[in-house]
Amino acid sequence: DAGITQSPRYKITETGRQVTLMCHQTWSHSYMFWYRQDLGHGLRLIYYSAAADITDKGEVPDGYVVSRSKTENFPLTLESATRSQTSVYFCASSGAGVGVEQFFGPGTRLTVL
Amino acid sequence: GQQVMQIPQYQHVQEGEDFTTYCNSSTTLSNIQWYKQRPGGHPVFLIQLVKSGEVKKQKRLTFQFGEAKKNSSLHITATQTTDVGTYFCAGPRGQGGKLIFGQGTELSVKP
Repeated sequence: DAGITQSPRYKITETGRQVTLMCHQTWSHSYMFWYRQDLGHGLRLIYYSAAADITDKGEVPDGYVVSRSKTENFPLTLESATRSQTSVYFCASSGAGVGVEQFFGPGTRLTVL
Repeated sequence: GQQVMQIPQYQHVQEGEDFTTYCNSSTTLSNIQWYKQRPGGHPVFLIQLVKSGEVKKQKRLTFQFGEAKKNSSLHITATQTTDVGTYFCAGPRGQGGKLIFGQGTELSVKP
């Protein structure tokens, strides 16, 4: 089925470990986004990508790395996880243009011990 | 920098009561979007408003975009338990497809 998927859905890791969250969309959307959601902060943009091989920082990029070698995939890597990165991570995609609706994946709940 | 604020943060209502959430932007917006996130779920697009003073309705939900295009509201008439969730407004952030989201209003409905 077409859509946007994230894996894993749940992840527990330890401080200092590297962890990669996967995001895959089947719509060939140009734009892809990574958000983190924490109580009291709503959705904060970590990184976004306008197309394959084009990525840029959002509001809270520190400690995260992204890549986009293919249009459909947009993995997010925490190079050395910290407790403050415990959060729910959402990937989203949208077509090109200003103010175009975004389609969100189901989310990954990450706990860093 | 650009900010989008939503109030209230939480709202608890009795089923059948009305509910309103307000969204205010520090800058003029070309459009505003509203999303709903059910508990444990992901945000889902509800609607987009583009014109100054625009009003759109979806069944019991009424969305308004302010004349100055800096504020918006979502009003739910006669809430139902299916309305439970967090409602977010979002406006364009800079160029491209980026959005800036408000903090959301969490609605709980007591049967």
